[in-house]
Amino acid sequence: EAGVTQFPSHSVIEKGQTVTLRCDPISGHDNLYWYRRVMGKEIKFLLHFVKESKQDESGMPNNRFLAERTGGTYSTLKVQPAELEDSGVYFCASSQVAREGYGYTFGSGTRLTVV
Amino acid sequence: DAKTTQPPSMDCAEGRAANLPCNHSTISGNEYVYWYRQIHSQGPQYIIHGLKNNETNEMASLIITEDRKSSTLILPHATLRDTAVYYCIVRALEGAQKLVFGQGTRLTINP
Repeated sequence: EAGVTQFPSHSVIEKGQTVTLRCDPISGHDNLYWYRRVMGKEIKFLLHFVKESKQDESGMPNNRFLAERTGGTYSTLKVQPAELEDSGVYFCASSQVAREGYGYTFGSGTRLTVV
Repeated sequence: DAKTTQPPSMDCAEGRAANLPCNHSTISGNEYVYWYRQIHSQGPQYIIHGLKNNETNEMASLIITEDRKSSTLILPHATLRDTAVYYCIVRALEGAQKLVFGQGTRLTINP
C-alpha cells in the first residue's frame, strides 16, 4: 500500500510569490489533514477534510492560505502571496473514517522556504 | 484536549529499554493516549495508543497508570534508528480529530 505522498519535497520561493503544495492520501482514506512546523515551533494543525468537505479549518493562519480537495482525493494547499513567516515544513496526513483511535499516516512533508 | 508534559530530552544506550514518561493529569474519561515519533526529516509516525489498559504492539509497549494521569512508552530494545522526537498526545475519539503536538521528548540512542 502506497503511503501519503507529498509534492514537492522542497520549495524555495520569493516573498510575494505563490506556491501550491500537493498531498495524495492513502487510497480510501476519507480524512485528510494538513499540519505545519515553522522554525523552532511545535507541529500545528491547519485543517481537516472529510472527503471533499472542510471539517475543521480552525488552524489556518490567515486568508493567504487556501486548501482544496476536489473530488475527495488529493488535496492542494496554496499560499498566496507567500510571506517569510510561512517558511517551514508542511505535513499532510490521512486516516480512515471512524476507525477506533488508529493513528494517522503522515507524509514526509514539503519544506517551504520563503526568501 | 488535555495537555501533556514530557521531559525535553533523554538518552538511552543501544540495546537497552527506553522508557519515556508522560504526564497528563487533566485527561478526561473519553480521551485516549497516543504516541507518535518524528525521525529527522520524516513525517510523524504513529506508534501506539491506549485508553486505560496497557498495550503492546510490534514497536512498543504503553503502560498507563490506574488513575490515567500518566503513562510510559517503552521501547524494549532500543536501536540507533529509534533516535527521534517522541510525542505524547491525548485526544478524544469523538469530536475534533486534530492532534495537538507539544514539544515532545528528544530521545537519543547512544552506541
